[in-house]
Amino acid sequence: GESVGLHLPTLSVQEGDNSIINCAYSNSASDYFIWYKQESGKGPQFIIDIRSNMDKRQGQRVTVLLNKTVKHLSLQIAATQPGDSAVYFCAENASRNAGGTSYGKLTFGQGTILTVHP
Amino acid sequence: SAVISQKPSRDICQRGTSLTIQCQVDSQVTMMFWYRQQPGQSLTLIATANQGSEATYESGFVIDKFPISRPNLTFSTLTVSNMSPEDSSIYLCSGGTLGNEQYFGPGTRLTVT
Repeated sequence: GESVGLHLPTLSVQEGDNSIINCAYSNSASDYFIWYKQESGKGPQFIIDIRSNMDKRQGQRVTVLLNKTVKHLSLQIAATQPGDSAVYFCAENASRNAGGTSYGKLTFGQGTILTVHP
Repeated sequence: SAVISQKPSRDICQRGTSLTIQCQVDSQVTMMFWYRQQPGQSLTLIATANQGSEATYESGFVIDKFPISRPNLTFSTLTVSNMSPEDSSIYLCSGGTLGNEQYFGPGTRLTVT
C-alpha cells in the first residue's frame, strides 16, 4: 500500500541554526500534504500544509517544499529554537482514491526527532 | 482551526474490560478519525468515524474490537473492547474538512494491566 517515509529519524541542531526535515512519499495520487509537530505527551499540532499545485509555501519561520517529480517533501525551520524540539511528522492525503471516491484520511510518515541544543 | 478535546486523558484498565474514549470538536467538521500511536512510533489510522452510520475501518482493525459512534458532526466515541496489554497505546482523534487540514486531540493514554 501507499506509505510515507522519512530519511532521517533524528536530527540535532544548535539553537539559531536552520533545520531541514525530509520526507518521501510513494502515492503519486497524493495531492495534499501536512507537517505536524508533536511534543511529548501531546497530540500532533498542525504546522503547515501544501497542495500539489504548489512547490513551496512559507509560514512563520517554516517553509515546506514539494518536489512531485521525486515524491519528496521537506520542512525547513529557520533560526531553530529550543522550543522547536519535538517529533515532526509528514502526512499525505489523496483527496480522491483510484475509484474517484472522495476521502480525507491521512497517511503518516515515521517521524523525525528534532533536538535543539542551546 | 478546530479545538478537539478527549476524555479521559489517561486510564489504567484491567485486561478483559472495555474503555470508551470520547472526542468533542468545538466546531462542525466533515471528517473525524481515530488513530493509535504506540510509544515512540507514528500514527496508525484505526477508522473513519461516519456521522449516523457505521465507521470505515482500516485493515487490521475490526468493529467488534473498536466500535465507534458518531451521532453528530462534533462528537465521536471509540471503545476499546476486551482489552489486553497489547492495546496499551495512545489513542487520538482528529477532525477536519475534506481536503483541508486535520486537527488532533491531546490523546488518551491507555495502559492495560
